[in-house]
Order: sequence, then structure tokens, then C-alpha cells
Amino acid sequence: QSALTQPASVSGSPGQSITISCTGTSSDVGVYNYVSWYQQHPGKAPKLMIFDVSKRPSGVSNRFSGSKSGNTASLTISGLQAEDEADYYCSSYTSSSTWVFGGGTELTVL
Amino acid sequence: QVTLRESGPALVKPTQTLTLTCTFSGFSLSTSGMCVSWIRQPPGKALEWLALIDWNDDKYYSTSLKTRLTISKDTSKNQVVLTMTNMDPVDTATYYCASGCVDAFDFWGQGTLVSVSS
Repeated sequence: QSALTQPASVSGSPGQSITISCTGTSSDVGVYNYVSWYQQHPGKAPKLMIFDVSKRPSGVSNRFSGSKSGNTASLTISGLQAEDEADYYCSSYTSSSTWVFGGGTELTVL
Repeated sequence: QVTLRESGPALVKPTQTLTLTCTFSGFSLSTSGMCVSWIRQPPGKALEWLALIDWNDDKYYSTSLKTRLTISKDTSKNQVVLTMTNMDPVDTATYYCASGCVDAFDFWGQGTLVSVSS
């Protein structure tokens, strides 16, 4: 199972919006709505930000939103804040009854 | 609230077997719909899912590592154990356990760093 494809890095200024893409295949992202996104600050455990493509867990800011089109899922962060600077990972359930993560995207808030 | 904590050796030698324990609270693995996974992250690299066990004792493994992995649970102790055989330096990573089933890994432990070196 190959990793999902994410851009290595994205950046944006405070207040702006950014979008991180996550490209899979017709065996994972394209066929299941079990895409999730995780935020990881340095030295910390990942934190669930989005599940089932576009749902937010309780306590997660509504500045975070998710979507999917075909084999590509996306995470959008609006009103960028300094605290959003972190690594972001997508994940999907697969047709092999396994789970796969993306390679991770480093978000820099300029 | 849900908490998970990983425990195990910080250092193992090549070819040895690694045994990690995840001790959790706030849910029961005998409850329908509950699952626990193991996920690892080599230093400076991406997350990699390893294995999942569910409330029904069904087990799922990474395709590339399944010959080396065994996941099990002790419901009475609220623990999940992962064993990985034939450890190699490339297996050096922070190992996390996390709750959650098909749709997401919703709660994570703080992780435990395992180094493989002679």
C-alpha cells in the first residue's frame, strides 16, 4: 500500500487561507469517505482535526474544514494563526482493510 | 476521558523481538465499535499504520509488516500488546497507540521512542 501524496510544505500569512491536498487512489480516498486529518506539533502526538472527510471533532476550530473530489482530499485552514504552524497528515481506510497515511505537509505561518 | 499510554523498552538489539503495551482508560475494548491501533513514526519521517485490533478480536495488519507483527488484547486489564519480531535499525521510531476504528484515530498516546542498535 503506497502512502498518500501530500505537498511537502505550504505556507501562508496570518489571516489567509491555505489548502493541503492529499491524493490517493480508487482503492482508498476515491472509494471511501474515511479520510481523516491530523495536526502534529514538534515533539507531540498527532491530534485528530477532521474525520469522515469533513467532520470536525468536538473542540476543533471551525477554521478547519475538509473536502474530497475523486481521489483527492483537501484540508483548508482559514484565518491562519501562528498556532496552526505544524505538520499535517492525511489518512484513509483502504480496500485491503488497512489504513494508509500521507507523507505529511509542513505548514509555515509567515 | 479517554487516555492511552505506551510502555516498552527504549532500546532493543537487531534481530530481537519488541513487545509494546498500550494501557488505556475511558473506554472498554469489549464495547462494540471500539478499536485500538499501533502507529509508528521514524525520526523526522511520516506516520505509518501498523496494526489494529477491534472489540470482536478481529486483527488487521500492515501488508508490508504482517509477517513480523502480532497484536493482542487483554480486556480485563484494558491493554493492547504489539509484538514485532526481527527488529532492525530501520525500525527505530516513536511508536504510538491510538483509539478509533474505521473512520479515524481519535485519541493518541504520547508515544514511546524505540531505538534499535547493537
